[in-house]
Amino acid sequence: QKEVEQDPGPLSVPEGAIVSLNCTYSNSAFQYFMWYRQYSRKGPELLMYTYSSGNKEDGRFTAQVDKSSKYISLFIRDSQPSDSATYLCAMSAQGRDDKIIFGKGTRLHILP
Amino acid sequence: GAGVSQTPSNKVTEKGKYVELRCDPISGHTALYWYRQSLGQGPEFLIYFQGTGAADDSGLPNDRFFAVRPEGSVSTLKIQRTERGDSAVYLCASSRGSSSPDTQYFGPGTRLTVL
Repeated sequence: QKEVEQDPGPLSVPEGAIVSLNCTYSNSAFQYFMWYRQYSRKGPELLMYTYSSGNKEDGRFTAQVDKSSKYISLFIRDSQPSDSATYLCAMSAQGRDDKIIFGKGTRLHILP
Repeated sequence: GAGVSQTPSNKVTEKGKYVELRCDPISGHTALYWYRQSLGQGPEFLIYFQGTGAADDSGLPNDRFFAVRPEGSVSTLKIQRTERGDSAVYLCASSRGSSSPDTQYFGPGTRLTVL
């Protein structure tokens, strides 16, 4: 079993819809949870960073972490064609001096 | 300001050859990471530098892979006797290394193709 599981998609939704992306993990030592966005042939770009359990909102993006279920989610409201990309969940045990463990990434297509 | 830069952007080589991949981190960032991303996969950790020293090299797949950061800034990932399975995008990331949480900023990657 991989440490981080993420459905690779692709996921296609119409413009304006709410998108839900999620990951599960097995290592209970993870405390820092991230979502990265990656456009084709580009490096990953940090979208959201959450420590421990709870919710965090930033504009149209909301990240949720449920450590008891080892489950994290990213919600995108009012999705736009420019949101079409691969979304990578990622996590680490320490907030610094630590490698990040990534999921496979979910390919998202927002249909105009 | 300038982000993480990586050169070359693309590298095609033949099986058995030696390659060097370069990473220029964000100015002032003391922590530098190398990851490898195969097609359809997320990035996988290779090695982490804090300053000039390799603090964690547990992700290097075998002794054909080696990385240096002699002056605590630019880093070079070196691959000897390349194999077709080494074909991937090699990503470099840097971070301040001084606070928690410590955001890692990624470069665009070097796409390595071993024929």
